[in-house]
Amino acid sequence: NAGVTQTPKFRVLKTGQSMTLLCAQDMNHEYMYWYRQDPGMGLRLIHYSVGEGTTAKGEVPDGYNVSRLKKQNFLLGLESAAPSQTSVYFCASSGSGVYNEQFFGPGTRLTVL
Amino acid sequence: AQSVTQLDSQVPVFEEAPVELRCNYSSSVSVYLFWYVQYPNQGLQLLLKYLSGSTLVKGINGFEAEFNKSQTSFHLRKPSVHISDTAEYFCAVSLQGGGFKTIFGAGTRLFVKA
Repeated sequence: NAGVTQTPKFRVLKTGQSMTLLCAQDMNHEYMYWYRQDPGMGLRLIHYSVGEGTTAKGEVPDGYNVSRLKKQNFLLGLESAAPSQTSVYFCASSGSGVYNEQFFGPGTRLTVL
Repeated sequence: AQSVTQLDSQVPVFEEAPVELRCNYSSSVSVYLFWYVQYPNQGLQLLLKYLSGSTLVKGINGFEAEFNKSQTSFHLRKPSVHISDTAEYFCAVSLQGGGFKTIFGAGTRLFVKA
């Protein structure tokens, strides 16, 4: 039972490059989330999904896209990376309902030069 | 608008001393409350949560928190800390009543000194 896994763990991009971060969970959770963590700002929600095939914007969605084609996977894409997207990205999942705890992956540290 | 404020960005404390990490929130609707801990280079994990009922909630690793509705606070406490408690702690609030919104505080870095 791996919980929530994220790939890759580290990545360095040049401005304008694209990439996809992969999140996978094996807990059969309906809800999945992508956050970014920046010093002094806590976690900010980028996008989330309440079920397979559905996605919605969070607090800071600009510059990111997501897809949830399979229940267990949630992909975060950066089409044209910018230095402002340098951050640590966390994926999380939870059961249905906001009263459930979220289970977090180990994070992806992204640097955009 | 809803918000979560963690009143201290850093809390240094000596080993075996008590500690309190403060969290206040503002919301026009009822809330669920959470505390998460993040150890270095790891994701967040749940310490405890308040959904309803008793306002004193006990969590893992000897932590507890008290929900105070009148003061809109959910402070985290531990009577005696260990070196291994050094980590960042996040307070989070989820809104009841439909829709989806969970807001995290900016975090409090607890540093336990020998």
